Amino acid sequence: DAMVIQNPRYQVTQFGKPVTLSCSQTLNHNVMYWYQQKSSQAPKLLFHYYDKDFNNEADTPDNFQSRRPNTSFCFLDIRSPGLGDAAMYLCATSRIRTENTEAFFGQGTRLTVV
Amino acid sequence: SQKIEQNSEALNIQEGKTATLTCNYTNYSPAYLQWYRQDPGRGPVFLLLIRENEKEKRKERLKVTFDTTLKQSLFHITASQPADSATYLCASGYSSASKIIFGSGTRLSIRP
Repeated sequence: DAMVIQNPRYQVTQFGKPVTLSCSQTLNHNVMYWYQQKSSQAPKLLFHYYDKDFNNEADTPDNFQSRRPNTSFCFLDIRSPGLGDAAMYLCATSRIRTENTEAFFGQGTRLTVV
Repeated sequence: SQKIEQNSEALNIQEGKTATLTCNYTNYSPAYLQWYRQDPGRGPVFLLLIRENEKEKRKERLKVTFDTTLKQSLFHITASQPADSATYLCASGYSSASKIIFGSGTRLSIRP
């Protein structure tokens, strides 16, 4: 019963070649997040959506874009991947209610840039 | 700027002992703190949430405390087992905003 699904699990892309990572959810949660996680580091929030409202973190590079065409789907676009963008990308969802704000994560997409 | 920190990168303890992990926050007052478990190559999995008006929460062998004076949360695993070995992440959020930010995690190893 996968609830947050990320595709693909592993992605290899060439330096400078645009790449898109996808995330879908069956939880009908109104918040979706994209995190970047490098080895032994904290998941770093790139941006999040509250419904259709897009919230970009101040230090997220312009190279990273996102789309959320509907409640269920969210995409992370990396326009020109550099070697430093190799990381695990985690999608998560949550429903903002006072009694239940946990984040549900997908399995992640490990991005390799060659 | 707002910071959430887990000062111990790694913690190694004997099976059966209580593991205690620390999370500190600075420059803000989160409405809640959460703890997640992350296994290698996988996404984090939620364990417990504690709100600013709660001092302690328990779930089976897990206990979390929240001290707003010390700006700190402690996460305890009692009767630890090798299967508890993983990275544990602290996270925080606000009730008035929708984002959740994470600490860098503590890698816990339980030796038999």
